Amino acid sequence: GAVVSQHPSWVICKSGTSVKIECRSLDFQATTMFWYRQFPKQSLMLMATSNEGSKATYEQGVEKDKFLINHASLTLSTLTVTSAHPEDSSFYICSAGLAGGETQYFGPGTRLLVL
Amino acid sequence: GNSVTQMEGPVTLSEEAFLTINCTYTATGYPSLFWYVQYPGEGLQLLLKATKADDKGSNKGFEATYRKETTSFHLEKGSVQVSDSAVYFCALNIPGGSEKLVFGKGTKLTVNP
Repeated sequence: GAVVSQHPSWVICKSGTSVKIECRSLDFQATTMFWYRQFPKQSLMLMATSNEGSKATYEQGVEKDKFLINHASLTLSTLTVTSAHPEDSSFYICSAGLAGGETQYFGPGTRLLVL
Repeated sequence: GNSVTQMEGPVTLSEEAFLTINCTYTATGYPSLFWYVQYPGEGLQLLLKATKADDKGSNKGFEATYRKETTSFHLEKGSVQVSDSAVYFCALNIPGGSEKLVFGKGTKLTVNP
């Protein structure tokens, strides 16, 4: 149980285009989803926390207009990287948590390469 | 604030060697502590956790004990295998808070046959 999927697993796009990444909880309802960014050989940096039906809470320094997060249902959250640039290339990971729970379940990650 | 400090790698061991990866934390309140593992090309998987002082988390031969007096949660395994090669992250969160996890920087472990 507690499986989280991400789609796509990797994507290559041209600079200036927008990319949408989906995060789904497959066998449970996730009241909270988190989006992380991981640079090579570094830890995970929390970008934002999203709760179903409400606006995401962004961490300091993360541009909310650049990284659009939508959490439309208890099983789906999306991250859209708008007008992507090469510096946005990274490994993006989502996680999902249960209400009142402290354990997060992580997706396999999406590798984004912007040319 | 809340933070996690773990030993920097990389760590390279021979198969069947003993493993210790140190982790210490700073937290306001009473955190829950976690070890996550990331295998090459994959996302993070929860390895083990402990929610209160003196608790011992264990899984797949790995163990870690929540030591409040030393604010530590060191990861240990008595005999590592090649398949244990991965990056290990220590993390904490504060129950009842925002559920955000605070991660250490990760320690890369390579086990050679």
